[in-house]
Amino acid sequence: GNSVTQMEGPVTLSEEAFLTINCTYTATGYPSLFWYVQYPGEGLQLLLKATKADDKGSNKGFEATYRKETTSFHLEKGSVQVSDSAVYFCAQSDQFYFGTGTSLTVIP
Amino acid sequence: DVKVTQSSRYLVKRTGEKVFLECVQDMDHENMFWYRQDPGLGLRLIYFSYDVKMKEKGDIPEGYSVSREKKERFSLILESASTNQTSMYLCASSLWRREGTDTQYFGPGTRLTVL
Repeated sequence: GNSVTQMEGPVTLSEEAFLTINCTYTATGYPSLFWYVQYPGEGLQLLLKATKADDKGSNKGFEATYRKETTSFHLEKGSVQVSDSAVYFCAQSDQFYFGTGTSLTVIP
Repeated sequence: DVKVTQSSRYLVKRTGEKVFLECVQDMDHENMFWYRQDPGLGLRLIYFSYDVKMKEKGDIPEGYSVSREKKERFSLILESASTNQTSMYLCASSLWRREGTDTQYFGPGTRLTVL
């Protein structure tokens, strides 16, 4: 069936380090793919999305590319900041599947 | 900006009580959702609604019911609360798309504790 598999956390990085959070999906069709972010004490909010293969979503220095051949949508950021500390969720539009979330802590 | 509001941020109830969680969105979205969020399990869909008075079960509907009498409002009902329903409850809304759900907009969540 359809699903989303996300890299386990928690992840702890120093400020200005490179970030990758892996996400793979299974789907019968060609879903849209999303990354949501949840800051402490808040609901989820959209970080970026891609609607078709080879699309790149980007926002706030984060990027993810929709790879149909590897069924992946990995989140990357070249230089993380303390303010990026949050929980990140990968999701697909087909059947409302979310990954289990990856907690990121960035230390100064 | 889309705004999704939930009636309470924190709620404490006793086992066996009937609990109502209310959610309101202001962007005329067709779809509305209720999720629960638990550590290590991510978000799990309880119910969703794609139109007024329409509802579909999600992955974990047992022990819950929903009501959607108006387009902007989606209520989650715990008929008889139990301790294993202690959780964070998130409401969301989205536009309908033939290809699947569009971006979901989330409320701030209700942290429910059942004693």
